Amino acid sequence: KQEVTQIPAALSVPEGENLVLNCSFTDSAIYNLQWFRQDPGKGLTSLLLIQSSQREQTSGRLNASLDKSSGRSTLYIAASQPGDSATYLCAVRPQETSGSRLTFGEGTQLTVNP
Amino acid sequence: DGGITQSPKYLFRKEGQNVTLSCEQNLNHDAMYWYRQDPGQGLRLIYYSQIVNDFQKGDIAEGYSVSREKKESFPLTVTSAQKNPTAFYLCASSDLGNQPQHFGDGTRLSIL
Repeated sequence: KQEVTQIPAALSVPEGENLVLNCSFTDSAIYNLQWFRQDPGKGLTSLLLIQSSQREQTSGRLNASLDKSSGRSTLYIAASQPGDSATYLCAVRPQETSGSRLTFGEGTQLTVNP
Repeated sequence: DGGITQSPKYLFRKEGQNVTLSCEQNLNHDAMYWYRQDPGQGLRLIYYSQIVNDFQKGDIAEGYSVSREKKESFPLTVTSAQKNPTAFYLCASSDLGNQPQHFGDGTRLSIL
């Protein structure tokens, strides 16, 4: 059974710092990996989706990498801002399942201090 | 503009009562999903549907039921058999294939 782990569970950094969030998964047979942002009491906003054949994706200050063979992904946030404060979730779509169903990690709660 | 609408935002259930959470999407997506989120935890899949009039159980389907009579609608009923229903419920949709899932703003269900 696919399991997804995110470390650290919480992270607090000063504004302007570059930071890395980690995601690991136990089964490397995946279709894709998706990073989401969740603000308190809200739904999820999709940030980046990396296909299994890709190594990384970039959007603005965000860069996500994927190393499928080692079961790892990282989300790099450059020049962090207080508005980046949120919970970040990663999710994988395993190859053996149908219907595009996702398996989620428990998230990293990020606080960026002014 | 296009998106996923969940209603109500807050819902309270009495003991022995069934309640229904609404999810509507105007993104013309084929697939729809229901997830449950407990405090400090990731999302767990309850049910999903890839096509009208068809749906499959997820990891925690016991005590829940769904229907998919229209492409744009996927309501979730939390039955009295669900003994611990207090949670944040999220609906999502996507195109089939290797496409990202898009989420609604959620419904928070509590017990009276």
